[in-house]
Formats: sequence, structure tokens, C-alpha cells
Amino acid sequence: QKEVEQDPGPLSVPEGAIVSLNCTYSNSAFQYFMWYRQYSRKGPELLMYTYSSGNKEDGRFTAQVDKSSKYISLFIRDSQPSDSATYLCAMSAGSNYQLIWGAGTKLIIKP
Amino acid sequence: KAGVTQTPRYLIKTRGQQVTLSCSPISGHRSVSWYQQTPGQGLQFLFEYFSETQRNKGNFPGRFSGRQFSNSRSEMNVSTLELGDSALYLCASNGVAGGPGTDTQYFGPGTRLTVL
Repeated sequence: QKEVEQDPGPLSVPEGAIVSLNCTYSNSAFQYFMWYRQYSRKGPELLMYTYSSGNKEDGRFTAQVDKSSKYISLFIRDSQPSDSATYLCAMSAGSNYQLIWGAGTKLIIKP
Repeated sequence: KAGVTQTPRYLIKTRGQQVTLSCSPISGHRSVSWYQQTPGQGLQFLFEYFSETQRNKGNFPGRFSGRQFSNSRSEMNVSTLELGDSALYLCASNGVAGGPGTDTQYFGPGTRLTVL
């Protein structure tokens, strides 16, 4: 079993829909949680960074962490075709950049 | 602030050859990580360098090596290339996203290596 599980998709939704992307994990020591977006043939870019449990909002994006369930989510409101990309979750127990990555979910927003 | 630079962006090699990829991190960052990304395996950690020393290493054969220079620029080398080495090689510049304890990684565009 992988430490971080993420459905690879693809997830296809119509423009304007609310998108929910999720990751589950097994290591209760994880306390730093990140979401990255990767466009085709580009490197991943950091979208959201969350420490411990709770919600964090940035524009149309909301990151949610539920440590009791070992479950993290990324919500995208008013989705746009430009949001079509692969979304990767990453997490760590501490510093030294030992990130553990999900496989990534391919998201397609249909105009 | 300039981002992470990787050169070359694209590379085509044949089996048995060797290749060197270069990465310049964000100014002020002293740690660099390298990843291999393939459609089937996702992001796989190769190694991390901090102040010219390899601090962490992933589970890759010895054909994969790296180094870091005093200006924090890093290179990775793959010798005796195999078809399975075809991948996107990503360099990450390691820094902080906010206050203390917010270590995170900022990626370059990657070098796409094709081995024929």
C-alpha cells in the first residue's frame, strides 16, 4: 500500500462546476500538506500549503485537511478550462524536503 | 525573483550514452532536489543536495549521480542510458512557503530526456 493514495482520474467536469480533488494517507506523522498543479510538459507549481488540520482559502481554491480521517481535499470553485491540469498532493512529517507524493489526478474542465 | 532554471529543456540520446542535466535554483536557496517523472510511476525522488553535500538519496541505481556547486547550482548525470530512463527530470529548489517549518519545493520546467 502506498503512503499517499490519489485517484489518477481523469476527472471531467463542465465549466463553472465545483471540483473536489482528494488524497488519503496512512502516516499519521504527516503534518505539512501541499497541492501542486502541473500543466502538460511543465514542472509542478505550488498551489496551496497547509499545516496540520483545518481549511485554507486562496481565491477560487480551498484546501482542507482532516488529520483524524487522514484525508485532504482541494476544492476549486467556478472551474475554468484553464484549470485543466494534473493536480498532485504532497505531504511531509517535517522539514528536509522529504515530500511524499500522490500519483496526481488529471482534471479536465469542459467549456 | 527568478525561478528555477533547467537546461537543456529537451534531449535525445541513444542507449549506452551518458547525459548531464543542469539546474539553477532560486537565488538564496541552498538545497536542490531531483525527481524523475514518468506516466506510470509518477514523481520519484532521486536525491537532494544541501550546501554541496548529498543529504538524501532515493532508490535509483548508481548510474544516476549528482553534485552541487558552491553557488548552489546542481547537475545530475546518468551514465549508460537505458530505454527506461526516458522521462521528465525535474529539479526542485527547496525553500520556505511562509514562516518557520514551511519547507516546500519550487520546481523548474524540467528536462525531457528521450532515449532511443
